Formats: sequence, structure tokens, C-alpha cells
Amino acid sequence: QLQLQESGPGLVKPSETLSLTCTVSGGSISSSSYYWGWIRQPPGKGLEWIGSIYYSGSTFYNPSLKSRVTISVDTSKNQFSLKLSSVTAADTAVYYCARRKIVGPTFFDYWGQGTLVTVSS
Amino acid sequence: QSALTQPASVSGSPGQSITISCTGTSSDVGSYNLVSWYQQHPGKAPKLMIYDVSKRPSGVSNRFSGSKSGNTASLTISGLQAEDEADYYCCSYAGSVVFGGGTKLTVL
Repeated sequence: QLQLQESGPGLVKPSETLSLTCTVSGGSISSSSYYWGWIRQPPGKGLEWIGSIYYSGSTFYNPSLKSRVTISVDTSKNQFSLKLSSVTAADTAVYYCARRKIVGPTFFDYWGQGTLVTVSS
Repeated sequence: QSALTQPASVSGSPGQSITISCTGTSSDVGSYNLVSWYQQHPGKAPKLMIYDVSKRPSGVSNRFSGSKSGNTASLTISGLQAEDEADYYCCSYAGSVVFGGGTKLTVL
């Protein structure tokens, strides 16, 4: 059974960089059938797609966050990571990593449990 | 890129049917049949309920169905049950990925 697990600091200071890692177990991140993505959810609000990465390193970002986001992949560790720079209180959210099927039908089928990141001094 | 438009809340009694709409544009919802729906219970990760507008993943009850007309997709839940009370999000993958604002379903 595929599992995704987010990890990283739960508290980040304003203007600093938020860094999270998603570790994939029970399957290979190097499959050609999937993208690996980050989605966030501010407290009490809706879901927002941040971006996705293919195992080769190709990336796709939400235009509204593109200038501050970097997603990278480490196939040797079966992990992918998110960096969000110049954070403000508006970036406080539960951050999910998820797998997106891209061959045939497309959808996010496996999600991590989510990790709350608070931006505060 | 704007979020897809969903009603903030809907409600229904057990056994009834409800429909949640998801309105986008000709560039997202209206362009391809690349719309899915997710159910999210409090404190939990979203769960896929519908993909490709109207297809159900294995294990999802046939009480859940989806459709689309023009730039608006819809999720219908028939025979409402208490366990259906949750937030529901539509999602379009045409071009970029965009979610709806979410709809809170209350089972009265």
C-alpha cells in the first residue's frame, strides 16, 4: 500500500523559507505514470494546488505562487520536496503531498496525512 | 487563475438527494472531461469520489454520481447518509490544476 508522509518544521518565521519533504513508501517515485504534488489548505479554508513534479525533474507550478515556489525530487531517497520563500501569515496552512495519476484518467489518488505549518514570529 | 465556484453549503435530510455545482470557464471545466470530486472529513486528507466527470473509483458508493454541462460540473449524492456529512471539492486538471472553493454538506 502506497504511503506518503510529510515532514518539516511546524513553525516558520515571516520572510523566511518554508521547507517540507514528502517521503514515499510502498512504491517508486520513479514511475512514469504519476506526478507528485503539493496542495495546501489554510485553516478553515479550501484546497489550493501549489505545484507538481515528475520523477525526471519537470515541474509545474500554480501561477499565483510560481515566483516563490521550488519543488524538487530525490529519486534515490524516494522523496520530493517543497520550498516556499518569503512566507507571510497567509502561508499558514496544512500542507499535503499527493500522488497524481497522469496516464489515462488523471486524479490525486494517494495523499499524505498533512502537516500544519504556522508562519509566526 | 481563479478557484472554481461552488456553493458554500448545502444540506439535506437522510435519504434525500443533493447536488453540488462547480462552475468554471471554457478554459478549465468546460474544455475537457478532466474534473474530479473529493470528499474531506474534518482533520482528514481528501478522498477521491469521482474522476473524469462521472466515473467512480473502486470502493466508492454508487450513491455518488457526477455530470457536466458546459462550464458547470455537478456532484449528486442520493440516499443521503449521516456519514456523507463532509466538505466536497471539485478539481479541474485542464491546463493547470484548480480546485473549487469547497462546499460543506450538512445532513440534517
